[in-house]
Amino acid sequence: SQTIHQWPATLVQPVGSPLSLECTVEGTSNPNLYWYRQAAGRGLQLLFYSVGIGQISSEVPQNLSASRPQDRQFILSSKKLLLSDSGFYLCAWITATEAFFGQGTRLTVV
Amino acid sequence: QQPVQSPQAVILREGEDAVINCSSSKALYSVHWYRQKHGEAPVFLMILLKGGEQKGHDKISASFNEKKQQSSLYLTASQLSYSGTYFCGTVVWTSGTYKYIFGTGTRLKVLA
Repeated sequence: SQTIHQWPATLVQPVGSPLSLECTVEGTSNPNLYWYRQAAGRGLQLLFYSVGIGQISSEVPQNLSASRPQDRQFILSSKKLLLSDSGFYLCAWITATEAFFGQGTRLTVV
Repeated sequence: QQPVQSPQAVILREGEDAVINCSSSKALYSVHWYRQKHGEAPVFLMILLKGGEQKGHDKISASFNEKKQQSSLYLTASQLSYSGTYFCGTVVWTSGTYKYIFGTGTRLKVLA
């Protein structure tokens, strides 16, 4: 079956610390994968998307980066977190007919 | 570039109806609709692929007019469980590739 896993579910990190969020997909190959961020009470902002291994497109300039080391793995990273990086992060696998989301990661930078 | 939804927020009583609109400045080839509860990931409701297509899901239905670059979500006889934020989503072609973006969102609250 088709599933998408994202972890961790919650994270509290100090300013300046690194970040690594991981997303993996099961039940398909060569999925189109996306990272979104949602600030409190706001919409879903596209951060990165990837159509294949090693292919990353960035939407907004920021101190975040993404990587796709394997076909079904998508990683969101930062070397030094900012307070403004707080939010709800979602990984998504989107096909022509359906969308699957990870459980989301609630990141609080303190 | 982000599709604009209207209204931004709506409050209903149980049993009342609501319409949520999604308008794009770019051509729409398909539209997805989602509902998101607070603190949770969005839940996929339905996809519309063709101009003028309508689909239904329980008492929730939607229409898609690709000529007008619009889609509407219809909530009939609303239930408390319908509360949440609704997003439309669509694929756009830009910079030589496709990417998926969400609309601005509509917060819906159903009161008993």
